[in-house]
Amino acid sequence: EVQLQQSGAELVRPGTSVKLSCKVSGDTITASYIHFVKQRPGQGLEWIGRIDPEDDSSKYDEKFKNKATLTADTSSNTAYLKLSSLTSEDTATYFCTTWYFDFWGPGTMVTVSS
Amino acid sequence: EIVLTQSPTTMATSPGEKVTITCRASSSVSYMHWFQQKSGTSPKPWIYDTSKLASGVPDRFSGSGSGTSYSLTISSMEAEDGATYYCLQRSSYPNTFGAGTKLELK
Repeated sequence: EVQLQQSGAELVRPGTSVKLSCKVSGDTITASYIHFVKQRPGQGLEWIGRIDPEDDSSKYDEKFKNKATLTADTSSNTAYLKLSSLTSEDTATYFCTTWYFDFWGPGTMVTVSS
Repeated sequence: EIVLTQSPTTMATSPGEKVTITCRASSSVSYMHWFQQKSGTSPKPWIYDTSKLASGVPDRFSGSGSGTSYSLTISSMEAEDGATYYCLQRSSYPNTFGAGTKLELK
């Protein structure tokens, strides 16, 4: 069965960047798109974007185009989400999930605070 | 962007009652997908391709709809069904979620 392992919680300063990882096991990462989803505390789910690790192509929600960058490393079966120019609005849990949203990682909590 | 409007936002239901959650899309979508999320956990796939139950989902759940109107129904509410349910469309980019329906037990 496919499993997604995400990197640990981050406490970061406003204005800085952070790079979150999502390691796929049980299949090759090129078998599926990887999506990233944002959830602020007590709020709903927001789709950030997806990457196709086979050709490194990606799609983003317009809201995240200047905020998020998706990359993938096929040698380590890992996808990455980089968030830049962090503000308090970026404090959230970030989930990765597979092509059909059928397998989910446990999420990475990012707290932006000075 | 296709906006998904879920209703109700919250509801409290007694055990054994029938529950219906609706999801309306601002434009037609091919399928609707539903997720269940309990506090502090990842969303779980619940219903996919409008009406197919994900593995392990009790058959008191069902999904239906087409075009711009979809629904998730529980035939007889049980305590373990208390959670937040989200609809998702992935027919077009950006993929979008509904705002969620919080279902509580009375």
